[in-house]
Amino acid sequence: DIVMTQSPDSLAVSLGERATINCKSSQSVFRSSTNNNCLAWYQQKTGQPPKLLIKWASTRESGVPDRFTGSGSGTEFTLTISSLQAEDVAVYYCQQYDISPLTFGQGTKLEIK
Amino acid sequence: QVQLQESGPGLVKPSETLSLSCTVSGGSISSNYWSWIRQPPGKGLEWIGYIYSDGTTNSNPSLKSRVTISVDTSKNQFFLKLSSVTAADTAIYYCAKYGDNAWVQYWGQGTLVTVSS
Repeated sequence: DIVMTQSPDSLAVSLGERATINCKSSQSVFRSSTNNNCLAWYQQKTGQPPKLLIKWASTRESGVPDRFTGSGSGTEFTLTISSLQAEDVAVYYCQQYDISPLTFGQGTKLEIK
Repeated sequence: QVQLQESGPGLVKPSETLSLSCTVSGGSISSNYWSWIRQPPGKGLEWIGYIYSDGTTNSNPSLKSRVTISVDTSKNQFFLKLSSVTAADTAIYYCAKYGDNAWVQYWGQGTLVTVSS
């Protein structure tokens, strides 16, 4: 199985400041047939199911604010929130979909400082 | 907009079989991939498996011998059975729809299943 490791486990950022969450995979999730990285990011608020933010490592889902940016390739990926808003408080997960079984990172809890 | 709704018992006894249904509305179950994912309370996400509308399935090797996923296209529903459950199977169970690839595009609200005598 591909192991997904996120860092940090928790993060406190001031409103309006930048938040950065990292995700590392135990092997590359780059798919040469599509020239894309098979990596998604989700946001899960308390009591809700996860919500898809980004697919293909950097493609923002429709309706997701542009303060959310995904980057990275191969085995190292980053989710950046450029200017933290109160509604961004949540747990964030990365997920690889290159190889079965699909696997998720352990989650990063983002709070307001 | 596709909507998914899980249903089934919220309490299952150890060693018995957990059975859940997922009803899909706002779209056809045909020609799509459908999945089950679970989340133990306060913990992370675990992929259980998927089914394609033609009945093709794949499941997590960690659960494979205990998992059965099936579909009823006439009712726009798909199903999960997990046998020989233990307390470790206590979780929120989500049904979900893949996007164009195996990211999860839509999630149900989830249903908490507790394994306890």
